[in-house]
Amino acid sequence: NAGVTQTPKFQVLKTGQSMTLQCAQDMNHEYMSWYRQDPGMGLRLIHYSVGAGITDQGEVPNGYNVSRSTTEDFPLRLLSAAPSQTSVYFCASSYVKLAGASYEQYFGPGTRLTVT
Amino acid sequence: AQSVTQLGSHVSVSEGALVLLRCNYSSSVPPYLFWYVQYPNQGLQLLLKYTSAATLVKGINDFEAEFKKSETSFHLTKPSAHMSDAAEYFCAVSLPTGGTSYGKLTFGQGTILTVHP
Repeated sequence: NAGVTQTPKFQVLKTGQSMTLQCAQDMNHEYMSWYRQDPGMGLRLIHYSVGAGITDQGEVPNGYNVSRSTTEDFPLRLLSAAPSQTSVYFCASSYVKLAGASYEQYFGPGTRLTVT
Repeated sequence: AQSVTQLGSHVSVSEGALVLLRCNYSSSVPPYLFWYVQYPNQGLQLLLKYTSAATLVKGINDFEAEFKKSETSFHLTKPSAHMSDAAEYFCAVSLPTGGTSYGKLTFGQGTILTVHP
């Protein structure tokens, strides 16, 4: 049971380049999400998904795209990287099965991205 | 909408001293509350969570937190700090699943805990 995995661990991009951050989970969680972490700002939600084929925007979606073709995978795409996207990116997943419930979110180890 | 405020971006304690990290929340409905810990260069790990079953919640590594509705607080405490507790701590709030909530987490800004020998 690997939990939530993310690749790569580190990445350096030049302004304008594109790339995809990978996220996978093996817990059969319906809910998956992407956060960015910046000093003094906590974690901010970029995009989330409640199942295959269903995605929605979070707090800071501009400059990022997502898709969810399978339950296991939730990649995050940067189409044209900007220095403002330099950050640490975390993927998380959880169940969403019962209305009114609260489920713990499980986090991946993170991807540290630098855009020059 | 919900929000979280963590009072103090840095807290420093001596080994063996009480740890107190403060968290206040704002929510339109009774929320669920979480404390996560992040060790250097790692992801977030759940310390404990409040889901309305009991106001005093015990977590891993002797941490506990008390939900106080009248004060809209969920402060994290540990009676005796260890060097290994040095990390960044995040308070987070979510609404119960259902409607458009899906248990989305809103995080506080984080508190870095330093433990001195």
